[in-house]
Parts: sequence; C-alpha cells; structure tokens
Amino acid sequence: DAKTTQPTSMDCAEGRAANLPCNHSTISGNEYVYWYRQIHSQGPQYIIHGLKNNETNEMASLIITEDRKSSTLILPHATLRDTAVYYCIVLSSMYSGGGADGLTFGKGTHLIIQP
Amino acid sequence: ETGVTQSPTHLIKTRGQQVTLRCSSQSGHNTVSWYQQALGQGPQFIFQYYREEENGRGNFPPRFSGLQFPNYSSELNVNALELDDSALYLCASRMTGEAYEQYFGPGTRLTVT
Repeated sequence: DAKTTQPTSMDCAEGRAANLPCNHSTISGNEYVYWYRQIHSQGPQYIIHGLKNNETNEMASLIITEDRKSSTLILPHATLRDTAVYYCIVLSSMYSGGGADGLTFGKGTHLIIQP
Repeated sequence: ETGVTQSPTHLIKTRGQQVTLRCSSQSGHNTVSWYQQALGQGPQFIFQYYREEENGRGNFPPRFSGLQFPNYSSELNVNALELDDSALYLCASRMTGEAYEQYFGPGTRLTVT
C-alpha cells in the first residue's frame, strides 16, 4: 500500500469548514483513499472513501485531485465533537474477499476544534 | 457505537504471563481483525480471521495468536508478555466482500509490569 503524508496537527474554529489534506504521491491506479478518525479513548471510526471521483456522505466530503496524488477531507461545519485524530489510508482493493490486508495507519492529523 | 464489544476494558499483567482478550463482532460481520495501538501511535495490524482461520497477518511474532468462533466472535492470545506489549488492543469487524468499512470496538487497555 502507498504511503501517506498528513500534517501533525491542525486547528479549526467551531462552525467553520475543516479541511484536512493528505498526500499520497505514490498511489497506484487501483488504490482507494480511506479516511478514519479516532476520538480520544475510542476505537477508530470509518468516515468516507473514494477512488477518483469526489464523494460526499452525511459526515464529510472527500475531494481527490485529478492526478490522485493528494486528497482533502472536508468537515463542512465542524463541532467540538469533531476533535479527533484523522487518518488517511490508501488500500489496494475495495473488495478484498477473504484476504488479508489490514489497514495501515500512520500518525494522522490531530484536529482541534476551537470554541 | 458500532456494536463491536471487547472485554475486559482494562487489564494489568506481569512480564512473562499470558493474556486472552475477547471480541464480539457486529451482527452479521464474518471477518474480524485485531490491532495494537501503542501510546501516541496509530493502530498496527496484528492479524485477521475469516471462517475461523487466520488469513492475514502483520509484523507480529507467533506469540500473538488468535481464534475465531462459529458465531464470529474472536480471541487474541499473547504469550510470554513483554513490557512493550503494553498498549490498547482494538478489534474490528466487517463483512467479507465489503469495502474496508471496518467497525472498531472500544479496545482493551493492557498494561504489562
């Protein structure tokens, strides 16, 4: 799986959009971009994933550049409960069948929402 | 909450001892993975179980072993505990064939003294 690079930490004001960048310059054509977050003292939580098109769900939007070498996770109206570590992960297959690869987490971005 | 439960919540063991951690997967999920998260680090993949067999493993020694039961629940066993095994152990479940939308439990905090 390709490596990812994320800023160590970011601040965002409550009610504003939080934009979290991720670089994955060595991503290959069949690798998906996944985002998870981990709120303090909890297990990681799936947010969103995409291949090359932009994606949106009830939690966030994912913008992937045309060359797929970077992406941005957008939390449109950040709240204090969005304070967490956000992980960007790339995976080689969407449907892995029975096998084998676990998620490779880096250190992520610690997003702090300020009141 | 995800529906994935883990027990116990906290555990203290002595170096050299053995420990068993338990996980109940979300209803209908047939694949269970275990992760180790040291303080200040991201989770590290230990192994995955599907149809009661280990079918994927990260860079962990054989003293880390597991089981999956017919109801898809799972155990993580660690033998000959070392001080560096102190960590949060996370269990995650998903349906095989689905995207990597894994559902994580709250974890078991293991302290080895």
